[in-house]
Amino acid sequence: GENVEQHPSTLSVQEGDSAVIKCTYSDSASNYFPWYKQELGKGPQLIIDIRSNVGEKKDQRIAVTLNKTAKHFSLHITETQPEDSAVYFCAASMGGGADGLTFGKGTHLIIQP
Amino acid sequence: DGGITQSPKYLFRKEGQNVTLSCEQNLNHDAMYWYRQDPGQGLRLIYYSQIVNDFQKGDIAEGYSVSREKKESFPLTVTSAQKNPTAFYLCASSIGRQGYEQYFGPGTRLTVT
Repeated sequence: GENVEQHPSTLSVQEGDSAVIKCTYSDSASNYFPWYKQELGKGPQLIIDIRSNVGEKKDQRIAVTLNKTAKHFSLHITETQPEDSAVYFCAASMGGGADGLTFGKGTHLIIQP
Repeated sequence: DGGITQSPKYLFRKEGQNVTLSCEQNLNHDAMYWYRQDPGQGLRLIYYSQIVNDFQKGDIAEGYSVSREKKESFPLTVTSAQKNPTAFYLCASSIGRQGYEQYFGPGTRLTVT
């Protein structure tokens, strides 16, 4: 089955700087790659996603890039703010996620004031 | 309000007892999912259902059971056969095969002693 590796496990950046979280996946048939933000004690919130027919997608301060050849995708957050502090999860799936998502183990992003 | 509700938020049980976690959605989504999250880990798929009266095992289905008698409801039973039931349980839904995005509920934290 699919396997998703996520790095780093913890990332500390100064407020206003950029943060980058990277994920690799194992199954070349995967075609859907969402990113979730999870605050303590809450359910994950979908923040951005990308499909395999697209190389990059942006939404305000957040962007995701996909390299299908290398089987990796990354989350980029620019101009980080204190409210960006949370745990971020990447995921991958075949069939658009209809049969469920395979998640990475998460990155704890800490924004230093 | 549209969304996914899970109840209760916290649940405590004695070892050897079965317990049922509730998940309800009013988004008119066809597909529903159950994931388990352990501390410092990503989410792992337990069961999913793409249509009423049909469901499939995920990666860690042993010791769990589900039913899908109504479109809006997908309860999960944690049986006494589940060896490590203490975890944070998350329910999600999506439009279905033609849709990709999965949206999560707030979760139920189950503690078994």
